Amino acid sequence: GIQVEQSPPDLILQEGANSTLRCNFSDSVNNLQWFHQNPWGQLINLFYIPSGTKQNGRLSATTVATERYSLLYISSSQTTDSGVYFCAAKTGANNLFFGTGTRLTVIP
Amino acid sequence: AAGVIQSPRHLIKEKRETATLKCYPIPRHDTVYWYQQGPGQDPQFLISFYEKMQSDKGSIPDRFSAQQFSDYHSELNMSSLELGDSALYFCASSLGLAVTYNEQFFGPGTRLTVL
Repeated sequence: GIQVEQSPPDLILQEGANSTLRCNFSDSVNNLQWFHQNPWGQLINLFYIPSGTKQNGRLSATTVATERYSLLYISSSQTTDSGVYFCAAKTGANNLFFGTGTRLTVIP
Repeated sequence: AAGVIQSPRHLIKEKRETATLKCYPIPRHDTVYWYQQGPGQDPQFLISFYEKMQSDKGSIPDRFSAQQFSDYHSELNMSSLELGDSALYFCASSLGLAVTYNEQFFGPGTRLTVL
């Protein structure tokens, strides 16, 4: 299956700071999703973004499919942004392959 | 908007017991996926169904089986439970035939603890 790598593995931010999370994938994709896993374990859909750029409030994402990477931008971070951010991708198969995640901690 | 429903949310079993997890997809979604997330790990794909037929299979143990019913809900049956089966089990649903849009939506998960 497709290989998905995320960086950095851990990130600590002061509240109000901005950050960029990166996701590299090994093959062309027909689905690329970003998720936030909150402390209760729920996987929250952030973006469905196999290509292009999207924005939702303080979050935005860009996928450059030809170069096989995606970026998630978090601006003006808040303590509620803490958790693990997963990138997941798929090619022709049905299932998503997840990266190992970026653990974000936002301190007040 | 309606989301994916999973039950139960928490389950505690003894070794060698059986467990059944249920998943109700978003209305009109015809594809269901099961994922397993061990402690500190990323979710791993187990199995998927499209229109009540198995469509893809991942690292699902032979002790596990699953099916999708006529109302599109799915059940994951787990037998001879082992300590290593303790994990968070997610169900996700999507529109299966839509090549240009196939976003998967995840349920809240079932946390299984095997003692």
